[in-house]
Amino acid sequence: QVQLQQWGAGLLKPSETLSLTCAVYGGSFSGDYWNWIRQPPGKGLEWIGEINHVPDTNNIPSNYNPSLKSRVTIAVDMSMKHFSLKLSSVTAADTAVYYCARRGRGDHWFDPWGQGTPVTVSS
Amino acid sequence: QSALTQPRSVSGSPGQSVTISCTGTSSDVGGYNFVSWYQQYPGKAPKLMIFDVSQRPSGVPDRFSGSKSGNTASLTISGLQAEDEADYYCYSYAGSYTSRVFGGGTKLTVL
Repeated sequence: QVQLQQWGAGLLKPSETLSLTCAVYGGSFSGDYWNWIRQPPGKGLEWIGEINHVPDTNNIPSNYNPSLKSRVTIAVDMSMKHFSLKLSSVTAADTAVYYCARRGRGDHWFDPWGQGTPVTVSS
Repeated sequence: QSALTQPRSVSGSPGQSVTISCTGTSSDVGGYNFVSWYQQYPGKAPKLMIFDVSQRPSGVPDRFSGSKSGNTASLTISGLQAEDEADYYCYSYAGSYTSRVFGGGTKLTVL
């Protein structure tokens, strides 16, 4: 049973870089896709991007939402079974609850999800 | 890509059935059988309720069912219970690894 636990700074000033980490407990880390999804206050869900480690290779492909791609970096730490999100040059529009989530290899749904990290961007 | 279209709210009385629609295009909902539905309580993370249009994960009550016709997917909750009051979001694969769209969400009120 995979469980995700996430953490990171919750208050940022405009132009700073958002940094969040998600730890994976249980299950296999390689092969699955590790996602970040956000939810602005009172609004719907927005997919940010995902990363994958291809088993038995050094191939670590990532995919990003085109609207955020220029500011987003998702990385993995295989030894720790962590993956991270960095979003640069944040503005008030980036204020949201950020979730990490798993998408299984070959699957097209997200399960499970992390508990969510609220991030506020304010001067 | 544009978000999928869901009604802002639906309501029903205990024991009744309600259906939440999710309308997309032939490039997402209509083009693939990869629609999933998520239940979200206030202040909590979303929970997977339906995947691949109509499949239920282990542990999800069979009161929850999914279907699709053309470019519109639907989530039906039968035998409504008070605990079903939550926000519901649909999601569809949209043809590429960078095209992943959610619906705007529907608030279900149990009267």
